Amino acid sequence: EVQLVESGGGLVKPGGSLRLSCAASGFPFNIAWMHWVRQAPGKGLEWVGRIKSKTDGGTTDYSTPVKGRFTISRDDSHNTLYLQMSGLNTEDTAVYFCTTDSTYFWGQGALVTVSS
Amino acid sequence: SYELTQPPSVSVSPGQTARIACSGDALPKKYASWYQQKSGQAPVLLIFEDDKRPSGIPERFSGSSSGTMATLTISGAQVEDEADYYCSSTDNNDDHWVFGGGTKLTVL
Repeated sequence: EVQLVESGGGLVKPGGSLRLSCAASGFPFNIAWMHWVRQAPGKGLEWVGRIKSKTDGGTTDYSTPVKGRFTISRDDSHNTLYLQMSGLNTEDTAVYFCTTDSTYFWGQGALVTVSS
Repeated sequence: SYELTQPPSVSVSPGQTARIACSGDALPKKYASWYQQKSGQAPVLLIFEDDKRPSGIPERFSGSSSGTMATLTISGAQVEDEADYYCSSTDNNDDHWVFGGGTKLTVL
């Protein structure tokens, strides 16, 4: 059974940093392209960014609002995807989902609240 | 930046056909996907590559695309289909995903 489990969410002050994790199981994580998608309270889905598999170069792409502040990485030895967030502001408050490139599988989401 | 446009809301009676449109300039060249999201839950993939349905998705959900418009059709909508629906696609370089703003479907 495929599972994606996010962790690491919480309350952080403006300007602060936070790292989210997404533990994957049930599929060959090392060849999967993975994405982060977020959803602000009461708002729609917003793509955050993507990391390719290492065999495809392992490169990353980001949406304009997070580029330069967020970093996506992966640890294939532990089947884990990461989202390092820095320079957080109140507009980053959202539930963050990890998903596979097919978008067939999604995690349950991790809530990040940026507030003083 | 590239955008996909959806109507904010669609309303139908049970048993009627609901159609949700998604417009975007790159849709003639890029596939569209559709998602259903119920309150407090993760999105569920309904349609991929314009018109393909993953296993387990009821046949009443179908997708189509023509020109700059992709359409999700729910034939014989049920009360349980009340949810938010999102289209998504990629930009012309396939570097970035884009989601539509979402459509709230009411079935009553």
